[in-house]
Amino acid sequence: ILNVEQSPQSLHVQEGDSTNFTCSFPSSNFYALHWYRWETAKSPEALFVMTLNGDEKKKGRISATLNTKEGYSYLYIKGSQPEDSATYLCAFKRGTGFQKLVFGTGTRLLVSP
Amino acid sequence: NAGVTQTPKFRVLKTGQSMTLLCAQDMNHEYMYWYRQDPGMGLRLIHYSVGEGTTAKGEVPDGYNVSRLKKQNFLLGLESAAPSQTSVYFCASTSGGGQAFFGQGTRLTVV
Repeated sequence: ILNVEQSPQSLHVQEGDSTNFTCSFPSSNFYALHWYRWETAKSPEALFVMTLNGDEKKKGRISATLNTKEGYSYLYIKGSQPEDSATYLCAFKRGTGFQKLVFGTGTRLLVSP
Repeated sequence: NAGVTQTPKFRVLKTGQSMTLLCAQDMNHEYMYWYRQDPGMGLRLIHYSVGEGTTAKGEVPDGYNVSRLKKQNFLLGLESAAPSQTSVYFCASTSGGGQAFFGQGTRLTVV
């Protein structure tokens, strides 16, 4: 069983706060690490796909880093806005055998005005 | 551009009934996945496929079967539905290590 863990489970911040979440995954046989944004009553949508150790990706106020040697990734949101409220999922893909995509349980972010 | 389409969107079953959920993708993706979403548990992998004619078990396969007879379609079957299978089901597809594209979900209630 692949363990993909995310923390914190939930987070409540004020508009304008910056925040970050953690995703931990197995450090062996790494292939890819994904981040998704999942709004209530919708389907998850991809934010980043990261494949190289040390990768840093950015999309607007959201950025992510990757450390494959120690098995973690951080997602940062700068200056949170109410529209950032969503569940943020990470997903790990192993590089050997059948390449299943395994998700963490997510971090639920609520941004209050 | 349809992407990933799931049918049906909603279904209510009685315990013991059977049904099939259909997932269709038009992106020529090799990999397809079925997940279930339950409160506080994120997305749990039921079964997946790495290509036409191949399927494999995920984390929670019991009570489900799948088939991938055509590359674009991935079917999820419940032979004898149980209340524990009440959930929201998501299908997704990817090409290699690329991002997953999701269907809109199927809300299944087993009474």
